[in-house]
Amino acid sequence: DTGVSQDPRHKITKRGQNVTFRCDPISEHNRLYWYRQTLGQGPEFLTYFQNEAQLEKSRLLSDRFSAERPKGSFSTLEIQRTEQGDSAMYLCASSFEHNEQFFGPGTRLTVL
Amino acid sequence: GESVGLHLPTLSVQEGDNSIINCAYSNSASDYFIWYKQESGKGPQFIIDIRSNMDKRQGQRVTVLLNKTVKHLSLQIAATQPGDSAVYFCAEKVRNQGGKLIFGQGTELSVKP
Repeated sequence: DTGVSQDPRHKITKRGQNVTFRCDPISEHNRLYWYRQTLGQGPEFLTYFQNEAQLEKSRLLSDRFSAERPKGSFSTLEIQRTEQGDSAMYLCASSFEHNEQFFGPGTRLTVL
Repeated sequence: GESVGLHLPTLSVQEGDNSIINCAYSNSASDYFIWYKQESGKGPQFIIDIRSNMDKRQGQRVTVLLNKTVKHLSLQIAATQPGDSAVYFCAEKVRNQGGKLIFGQGTELSVKP
């Protein structure tokens, strides 16, 4: 257990529905990252926050995806109008400044 | 319909032997590298990191070697144990490109008892 928690661990939804995932980072970490991982691949960067500011977003993050970190602690990732291609493991990581990133257990999304 | 699987490179070793997992990274401007271990259904677990001003770093049973000339990174695991069986990813961070990590393909390590 790295100290990064994610909820839910699994989510099954129907195409077109909205889903929201939560990440609680290690408490003293000011940076929080979201990645997506599909079967057989390494994680791909989606976005990251320093405190409450969203500093970078990948081109992978279409306009159906939005992430927030309103108080600089936990973060949420919302996917609107889910598509089958959104099925993946969504991973959250946190770090203190540029130091090593510690990952949570992930949320596995299945879109039917 | 037919599904196409993605096959990871696989390394199979005998328990007690040393393992070497290799990784080629892409960007000469990368200045920080990390090795992660990922077990099935879990998130990546930090193993060891190295900055570009070093060429070797040792941890407990693990050593990372960095060759910047050929953009090559390796992870050596001494006295490999069944619990080391997992997929191993290298990741790089590019200087002045924020905090994101760029992950390699991954290698599946299988340890035979």
